[in-house]
Amino acid sequence: KQEVTQIPAALSVPEGENLVLNCSFTDSAIYNLQWFRQDPGKGLTSLLLIQSSQREQTSGRLNASLDKSSGRSTLYIAASQPGDSATYLCAVLRDDKIIFGKGTRLHILP
Amino acid sequence: SQTIHQWPATLVQPVGSPLSLECTVEGTSNPNLYWYRQAAGRGLQLLFYSVGIGQISSEVPQNLSASRPQDRQFILSSKKLLLSDSGFYLCAWTYRQGTSPLHFGNGTRLTVT
Repeated sequence: KQEVTQIPAALSVPEGENLVLNCSFTDSAIYNLQWFRQDPGKGLTSLLLIQSSQREQTSGRLNASLDKSSGRSTLYIAASQPGDSATYLCAVLRDDKIIFGKGTRLHILP
Repeated sequence: SQTIHQWPATLVQPVGSPLSLECTVEGTSNPNLYWYRQAAGRGLQLLFYSVGIGQISSEVPQNLSASRPQDRQFILSSKKLLLSDSGFYLCAWTYRQGTSPLHFGNGTRLTVT
């Protein structure tokens, strides 16, 4: 059974620091992995989609990596800003189901 | 470009009243559509998904039902709301599950009183 884990559940980081969010999954039989951002009371905004054949994807200050063999993905945020404060969720995408982690709540301290 | 609309944004309903939440997708055809519920500290729970008109799969037995009367319209309903139905409901779509990205609406905050 596929399980997706995001540790830590919450993280506080001073503004300007680089940081890494972790996502681990138990079954390497995935198609893709997607990272989302959720602001309080809002829907999920797609950040990056990494295909299973790729090792990483970049968008601005965000870089997501995928290592299927170890069951891990990381989301790297460079030069963090207070506006990056949000909950970040990862999801494993398969043709039979989509499985979400419970997210990491990120707080950037000004 | 594709967009997803979900309404209403907030809803307060008494116990025992009916519910209808609507979701529409623009700019694509034959999308896979999903209803999720998000409760505090419990993550996203898949309620229903649909691969086509009239085709609904239920993931969790509950007080809710879903319908897809048109290709890009997905409706979440209940005949009689329970207190436990309170939560944040999210509609989502993807072109092809597993290989295409998943996109979410802005959600509906439902409070059952």
